[in-house]
Parts: sequence; structure tokens; C-alpha cells
Amino acid sequence: DTGVSQDPRHKITKRGQNVTFRCDPISEHNRLYWYRQTLGQGPEFLTYFQNEAQLEKSRLLSDRFSAERPKGSFSTLEIQRTEQGDSAMYLCASSLMEQEQFFGPGTRLTVL
Amino acid sequence: GQQLNQSPQSMFIQEGEDVSMNCTSSSIFNTWLWYKQDPGEGPVLLIALYKAGELTSNGRLTAQFGITRKDSFLNISASIPSDVGIYFCAGLSRDNAGNMLTFGGGTRLMVKP
Repeated sequence: DTGVSQDPRHKITKRGQNVTFRCDPISEHNRLYWYRQTLGQGPEFLTYFQNEAQLEKSRLLSDRFSAERPKGSFSTLEIQRTEQGDSAMYLCASSLMEQEQFFGPGTRLTVL
Repeated sequence: GQQLNQSPQSMFIQEGEDVSMNCTSSSIFNTWLWYKQDPGEGPVLLIALYKAGELTSNGRLTAQFGITRKDSFLNISASIPSDVGIYFCAGLSRDNAGNMLTFGGGTRLMVKP
């Protein structure tokens, strides 16, 4: 299967802990996006990369959120000092330039 | 900011019936996309629309990009139980945040066999 993959699929953590999620895009796709989805809502854009450059990060929810894509392939999303309100599904998508975005299965985060 | 109003929020239909859902926006989009999401999974792309007025089919699914570029609809014909899920419209504009997709609130479809 050569679709977008995300790891882990589920993460349970205690408030105040740091968490990191990984996304592996479709191999030939140069753009990678992070979205957050809360229960009953559509996905909400967070940030995106073209190759290794982070071209938009103003939508990241707070300075506790950061993302990297160091070699232009996989990406990581880190949340520091997690809060209960961070509980959500974190989705990654990739595309070839401005074409359609294909989503991964998501990482469900639960903060206790 | 941009908002997409998607309706209806939910539908409970009999197997074999046709289904229609739509999205409207206060802003113009360059591309409209329709996704389906099953519980605990990511959205799966169904149809992409690139031009105002475009009508595109994918099997039993038909979608249209409104002429004003502020709306789109999705029709599903002869529904079957595996059509159950949440359908999202998404608009793509390039006036800010590059390729940011703006999603509607979703239409939850339930099909009674």
C-alpha cells in the first residue's frame, strides 16, 4: 500500500506530557499538510510543507504546536505540555503540487 | 474567515434511494472536493471539481461545481449500505495559506437495508 501512513494510530497521554506524531506521505508528493479534527467537525488546517520548507504555520493552534519535515519526506507534529483540549484526531495529507490532497488514517490523541 | 455551510447535517434513508447534499460558501473557491470518512479513519477523496459549472461523475456519485464558485452539490444514486459514513465538502482557495482546504461540517448518511 503506497498511501499516506501515520504513526501511531492512537496515543493516550497525561496532561503536561509532550507527544510527537509521524506522517509518511505518498512517495512522489512534494506537499504535506497537517489538519486537526474534533468530534463532529470537519478537519481544520494547521500547517503545510512544500518539500522541506514550511510555507504556512500561522494556523498552528498555539506555540506548543510545531511541525518539521527535515528532509522533505516524512514529517513530525509535536505538541508540548499537552492539555485536555488537545484531544482530537490529527490528520496528515499529501499532494503533488496543487493537486488533490490525500489523507492518512489519522492519529487519535486522548489527553487525560 | 472562510466558512462552508453543508446541509443536511444528517440523513436516514432507505437502501435504493437517491441522496443529495450541498455546500455553500460566502467566498469563492478555485476547487471543490468531496470526501467520505468512516469512523476512526481519514477522509477518502471521492470527487474533485476544478471549473465553475463542471459536472463530474464517479460511479453512482455525481458532483457539480456551482457557476458562482460559491457552492457545490453531491448526489448519490441508488444508495447501498456501504454508503454509510460522513461526507465532507472541502473548498480550496489560493488567496491565503497556499493549499489550505476549508471543510464543511459534514453530512452523516445512514442507510437502512
